[in-house]
Amino acid sequence: QVQLVESGGGVVQPGGSLRLSCAASGFTFSSYGMHWVRQAPGKGLEWVTLIWNDGSLKYYADSVKGRFTISRDNSKNTLYLQMNSLRAEDTAVYYCARSIRHFYMDVWGKGTTVTVSS
Amino acid sequence: AIQLTQSPSSLSASVGDRVTITCRASQGISSALAWYQQKPGKAPELLIYDASSLESGVPSRFSGSGSGTDFTLTISSLQPEDFATYYCQQCNSYSFTFGPGTKVDIK
Repeated sequence: QVQLVESGGGVVQPGGSLRLSCAASGFTFSSYGMHWVRQAPGKGLEWVTLIWNDGSLKYYADSVKGRFTISRDNSKNTLYLQMNSLRAEDTAVYYCARSIRHFYMDVWGKGTTVTVSS
Repeated sequence: AIQLTQSPSSLSASVGDRVTITCRASQGISSALAWYQQKPGKAPELLIYDASSLESGVPSRFSGSGSGTDFTLTISSLQPEDFATYYCQQCNSYSFTFGPGTKVDIK
C-alpha cells in the first residue's frame, strides 16, 4: 500500500542541525512532488517546503528559507530535509506528504518529532 | 502572502447534525483550496480538493463549495468518527498556507 515513513527526529540544541528522511513505498515516487509540513505542539499546520518530482524546483516558507534544504533521491525512493541553524520555534512534528496537482497533499506520513532545546 | 481565516474556531455538535465550516482567503484564489481532517495524534487526511472535489474514499456526507475568497465545508450528517479538527489550505504562486483550524467536538 501507499506509505510514507519519516525518521531522523530527535532533540537538538539551538543552532544545531538535523536531517530528516522520508521513505516512500507503494507508488512511483519519481512521479510526484513532495512536501514537508510541520505542526508545533498544540498548534496548527505550517507548510515548510515543496520539491518537484525530478528535484528541479524547490519552494520554501519564509520562516525556513536559507536554513532548511529539501532534496530527494529517486533511486532510493527517499525524501530529505536538512535543517540547519535550528531555533526553538522549529520544535514540531514534521510530516512528509505526497503532492497532487502541485497544490495539495493526498498521502501523509505519521510524522517525526523535532525538539530544539538546550 | 495570502492568509486564511476559519470560522468558527470550534463548535459542539451532536451525531446527525449538519455542520458547516467557513474558510475565507485574504485575496482571491479561484478554486485552489483543500480541506483536511486531523484527529488527535494522527496525520491530516485530505477530504476535498479544488474547493469541491471529493477525494477518493472520503464519505459523501462531506462536501465543499465556494470560489474566490469564500469557501465552505459541509458535513451533512455528523458521525462519531467525524469529531476532529478541520483545516483549509490554499496554494498561490507555490506559497502554501493553512487556516488556523476548526475543532468539532461532541455536544
